[in-house]
Amino acid sequence: DAGVIQSPRHEVTEMGQEVTLRCKPISGHDYLFWYRQTMMRGLELLIYFNNNVPIDDSGMPEDRFSAKMPNASFSTLKIQPSEPRDSAVYFCASSLELLNTEAFFGQGTRLTVV
Amino acid sequence: QKEVEQDPGPLSVPEGAIVSLNCTYSNSAFQYFMWYRQYSRKGPELLMYTYSSGNKEDGRFTAQVDKSSKYISLFIRDSQPSDSATYLCATWNRDDKIIFGKGTRLHILP
Repeated sequence: DAGVIQSPRHEVTEMGQEVTLRCKPISGHDYLFWYRQTMMRGLELLIYFNNNVPIDDSGMPEDRFSAKMPNASFSTLKIQPSEPRDSAVYFCASSLELLNTEAFFGQGTRLTVV
Repeated sequence: QKEVEQDPGPLSVPEGAIVSLNCTYSNSAFQYFMWYRQYSRKGPELLMYTYSSGNKEDGRFTAQVDKSSKYISLFIRDSQPSDSATYLCATWNRDDKIIFGKGTRLHILP
């Protein structure tokens, strides 16, 4: 398995534009997590899914953020409209269990909003 | 007070030295304690986790939890240049979400 695959690796966009980040989890993993990492706030859990169903989205910062998982092999995180303070590295991770002891992270998407 | 506090470093030590990385946490309900290693421009990878108090050893790495003082430690013996990375501690309990420290940057000097 190639691991968790995220795209794009880098994204530069203008304030107000819509941004869509993509993630392909490891096959067979029931849990999928979206994280955001910044220098100021560190690594934060935004939302996680279990069997394609969103379970906890309490970490999603605002209504401008939305996440979907239409099937077991694909998830998106969308920001609309984007703002400069959304600039961060966004990670997707997947695991067999909620505990994350076997969680695998993707390479991340570095988002810059100018 | 932040839920998990971690000195950002950087911490520079000579190759072969013993490294001690530490975190403190505020919520006594946390039950699981994890250490992640993150290389530059990569995603975090889980190094070790422990449940409740006590020690856990894996090769050159030892994780230690003291719930009475809410203190988490990671020790690296015989440190190598390849250990140079950012180390993130994290805590979790089943009724809440995982909380990460901001990470400590570690440099092992050859």
